[in-house]
Amino acid sequence: AQTVTQSQPEMSVQEAETVTLSCTYDTSESDYYLFWYKQPPSRQMILVIRQEAYKQQNATENRFSVNFQKAAKSFSLKISDSQLGDAAMYFCAYRSRTGNQFYFGTGTSLTVIP
Amino acid sequence: DAGVIQSPRHEVTEMGQEVTLRCKPISGHNSLFWYRQTMMRGLELLIYFNNNVPIDDSGMPEDRFSAKMPNASFSTLKIQPSEPRDSAVYFCASSLWAGQDGANVLTFGAGSRLTVL
Repeated sequence: AQTVTQSQPEMSVQEAETVTLSCTYDTSESDYYLFWYKQPPSRQMILVIRQEAYKQQNATENRFSVNFQKAAKSFSLKISDSQLGDAAMYFCAYRSRTGNQFYFGTGTSLTVIP
Repeated sequence: DAGVIQSPRHEVTEMGQEVTLRCKPISGHNSLFWYRQTMMRGLELLIYFNNNVPIDDSGMPEDRFSAKMPNASFSTLKIQPSEPRDSAVYFCASSLWAGQDGANVLTFGAGSRLTVL
């Protein structure tokens, strides 16, 4: 099974600053999808951003962007202009293109300091 | 669309009691997943269904756990008998899986927080 590793259990950032959350994964497949999910204190899991491995261009959603390094099997999430509402647990996830099983990392808890 | 609907949101029960968690996936989605989240073990996949058929139940902890999906719009996760170590948040998620076209994403319900005393 594929493994997804988030090596930062906790991170903090000053409001309006930028923070980067790290994620690495292990796979022998060449085509797959990567995701970042956000889980605020309400515990609802929300999709933040998605990246297709065959696309070299990094995905962007407003203040959220990724740095996808396929050769290094790295998929980091950058949050710009951090807001208090960004405080949450962030999960990185992997899914092969043809498969239907999602593999999640252990999460990074992000604190936003006013 | 109302999203993935789970019930109950909170359940407190005593050890040995039967617990049933319910899930209504998004209409049109053909895959359904049950996850368990704890501080110690993070997010664990328990079981998932494609077109109402269980595909992988290797994550189900033991025989006390069972899951069913009698139709495309309803699934249950049952724990019988429950134990304190089953205390966790249980998530249901659904997706539209089209085989070779892998563009589907997971949509989660709000979760059911189970406390077994």
